[in-house]
Amino acid sequence: AQSVAQPEDQVNVAEGNPLTVKCTYSVSGNPYLFWYVQYPNRGLQFLLKYITGDNLVKGSYGFEAEFNKSQTSFHLKKPSALVSDSALYFCAVRPGIILTGGGNKLTFGTGTQLKVEL
Amino acid sequence: NAGVTQTPKFRILKIGQSMTLQCAQDMNHNYMYWYRQDPGMGLKLIYYSVGAGITDKGEVPNGYNVSRSTTEDFPLRLELAAPSQTSVYFCASSYSPDSYEQYFGPGTRLTVT
Repeated sequence: AQSVAQPEDQVNVAEGNPLTVKCTYSVSGNPYLFWYVQYPNRGLQFLLKYITGDNLVKGSYGFEAEFNKSQTSFHLKKPSALVSDSALYFCAVRPGIILTGGGNKLTFGTGTQLKVEL
Repeated sequence: NAGVTQTPKFRILKIGQSMTLQCAQDMNHNYMYWYRQDPGMGLKLIYYSVGAGITDKGEVPNGYNVSRSTTEDFPLRLELAAPSQTSVYFCASSYSPDSYEQYFGPGTRLTVT
């Protein structure tokens, strides 16, 4: 069974500093990996994905993520954090192939609350 | 495009009552999903649908039912509500397995007392 671990419930960072939100995964075969962001009282918004190719993927709002196959990790990063980045971040994974007619079912991590302070 | 819409935004139910959470999308997506989000637990898949007339169970289907009579709509039915169903419910959709990202609605906050 596939799984995702986000080891930090909360990450605090000062505005202007780099941020990292950690994610490790377990899945059969090659993974498809995703980051979503959730602002208060809103649904999840897609940030970025890794399907294949370059290990460093770039997404919305200046975020990027690095896929590391040997460490089974997909950490979210941003060079310079903004107060407006404060939100709940979810990592998600699914197998790279569809084994049945079940669609692209995702497994989500438990989320990491990012707090960016002045 | 309105994207994925959900109604109602909030609802309080008494134990044993029933209700239907509505979900609609106007992106012509084939795949639709219902999740529940509990604090510190991430999102759990309740049911999903790969097209009109086709639905299947996710991780936590007990106490829920769905139907998919059109491409646009995917209602979630709660029968005999229980306190354990207090949660925030999200509907999502995607065009196909090859259109990897899912698009989420704004959620319905349900309290069962």
